[in-house]
Amino acid sequence: EAGVTQSPTHLIKTRGQQATLRCSPISGHTSVYWYQQALGLGLQFLLWYDEGEERNRGNFPPRFSGRQFPNYSSELNVNALELEDSALYLCASPQGGASTDTQYFGPGTRLTVL
Amino acid sequence: GQQLNQSPQSMFIQEGEDVSMNCTSSSIFNTWLWYKQDPGEGPVLLIALYKAGELTSNGRLTAQFGITRKDSFLNISASIPSDVGIYFCAGQKGNTGKLIFGQGTTLQVKP
Repeated sequence: EAGVTQSPTHLIKTRGQQATLRCSPISGHTSVYWYQQALGLGLQFLLWYDEGEERNRGNFPPRFSGRQFPNYSSELNVNALELEDSALYLCASPQGGASTDTQYFGPGTRLTVL
Repeated sequence: GQQLNQSPQSMFIQEGEDVSMNCTSSSIFNTWLWYKQDPGEGPVLLIALYKAGELTSNGRLTAQFGITRKDSFLNISASIPSDVGIYFCAGQKGNTGKLIFGQGTTLQVKP
């Protein structure tokens, strides 16, 4: 069973541009969680998608958005990039199908905003 | 955003020593998790705790879910150089889906 995969590994953008990050959950699992790990701020919950719907959202501005596709893979979009958006973006997939199941993380996408 | 209080922030120990770190919160959690993160990689799950008072081991690692459901600790016995990394506690409550993380404990082991 494949684990959580993310792409790209690294992404470099300039201020004002848009970034798109991708995640594939554990095969057959319907939920995807996104987290931001910025330097000095720790891991912060961003978004939770399940069965194609946004189920919960962290304390982030609307320019952070995403979607989930019928195959349960997910995209995180960050519009109007700011310098402080530079971070490691992590995707997680629960072991089972429930929101309370243990979350397993992918390797992350390192976003650098210049 | 909300974070758990994790301590110590960093530790520098000799190979073979035991290590202890803990997390506390002002609110109750249903699940406590401990992850280890190496530089440039995603967190890897070490131990998951689901019941108050639960004590669980994974090799040289032992973790406990506090009776009050507001705290957890992780012990590492007989540390080795590959234990180096950042250890995070995480709590989950209800069915919000989100994990709330501690600030991390950076562990360095001197051979």
